[in-house]
Amino acid sequence: SAVISQKPSRDICQRGTSLTIQCQVDSQVTMMFWYRQQPGQSLTLIATANQGSEATYESGFVIDKFPISRPNLTFSTLTVSNMSPEDSSIYLCSVGTGREPQHFGDGTRLSIL
Amino acid sequence: GQQLNQSPQSMFIQEGEDVSMNCTSSSIFNTWLWYKQDPGEGPVLLIALYKAGELTSNGRLTAQFGITRKDSFLNISASIPSDVGIYFCAGQRAGGEGAQKLVFGQGTRLTINP
Repeated sequence: SAVISQKPSRDICQRGTSLTIQCQVDSQVTMMFWYRQQPGQSLTLIATANQGSEATYESGFVIDKFPISRPNLTFSTLTVSNMSPEDSSIYLCSVGTGREPQHFGDGTRLSIL
Repeated sequence: GQQLNQSPQSMFIQEGEDVSMNCTSSSIFNTWLWYKQDPGEGPVLLIALYKAGELTSNGRLTAQFGITRKDSFLNISASIPSDVGIYFCAGQRAGGEGAQKLVFGQGTRLTINP
């Protein structure tokens, strides 16, 4: 399966700032997804990152808060904008080929002070 | 958003015991997946199920795709300390809008007393 690298692995940020999280895959993949995992909770899909077009957001998530880029088939970024303590979560990137189940990166652990 | 109903939420067992957890949904899924998440890591795929009634094993792990396509269970036999972690079920629909998207259960936190 594809090897997924996420950066940074963790960060502590001040409220009101923004952080961009990178997801790099070692092979071309059709689908890339971004999830949020709030403390002690399950995973919730934020959006599907579409190559060459705008991301598709799930209900409750908006582009102004979570802008996503996908410039090619191996890379995507998620920005968490204007952060507040409620944004403290693990943010996870996953990839899928359509033929195999999704595989996840190790996530970015984000704390907002 | 929609979540699957996963139970139990937590389990405290003795090493060597068998473990059983399950997921149910009000809607049909075409694929059921079971993941395990260790602290500081992302979820790792354990078993994938693609056909109603399918029973699949991976070492000491056995999972089944329910006949109604609305449920799945995971069994772990003869638990060992490295089985500690959080187990998540996930459902995936096939085709159309929403294909490839995963819906997750709330997770089962497994703790093992040596």
